[in-house]
Amino acid sequence: ELKVEQNPLFLSMQEGKNYTIYCNYSTTSDRLYWYRQDPGKSLESLFVLLSNGAVKQEGRLMASLDTKARLSTLHITAAVHDLSATYFCAVDPRGSSNTGKLIFGQGTTLQVKP
Amino acid sequence: GAVVSQHPSRVICKSGTSVKIECRSLDFQATTMFWYRQFPKQSLMLMATSNEGSKATYEQGVEKDKFLINHASLTLSTLTVTSAHPEDSSFYICSASRVWETQYFGPGTRLLVL
Repeated sequence: ELKVEQNPLFLSMQEGKNYTIYCNYSTTSDRLYWYRQDPGKSLESLFVLLSNGAVKQEGRLMASLDTKARLSTLHITAAVHDLSATYFCAVDPRGSSNTGKLIFGQGTTLQVKP
Repeated sequence: GAVVSQHPSRVICKSGTSVKIECRSLDFQATTMFWYRQFPKQSLMLMATSNEGSKATYEQGVEKDKFLINHASLTLSTLTVTSAHPEDSSFYICSASRVWETQYFGPGTRLLVL
């Protein structure tokens, strides 16, 4: 059974600080996604990582993928209050099944304090 | 990006009644639609995968007779919660995708069963 585990599950940090959220998964995958969810809202797509070594950056967020280690990271640089949200990683265990379904991590709730 | 809508956004119903939730891809034809549910402060759990014109594939533990899914066209899928009970109260999110492409998520439907 594919498992996707995020660490930490809750993160409280000061504005201006840096931090990293980790996403480990238990089987091979050729696609990994990062999403943001604000309270009461649906998911907003942040990044799609498609290959080993892929790195993508948008503003203060940077995501990377190491398929050999089955690990993705979401790095936050100089956090601001607007980044407060819950962040999910999701893995597409496409392989031979070709279903396209996603398996989500537990989510990391980020709280950025002034 | 592609737009996916859901209707209604919020619904309150009495225990024992049935509720239908619509998911539409507004500007593209979706070969596959997915239905997720999310309990407060939890991750998204995939309920079923739906391909146009064929029966939905349900995840383990999801009652197919309780959660009826119809994918009648390439732009519309419906989820009907039959004989709803308070434990069915949740946030239901659909997503839509084309073959080998990313999923686009709808805004979600909050169901409250009294």
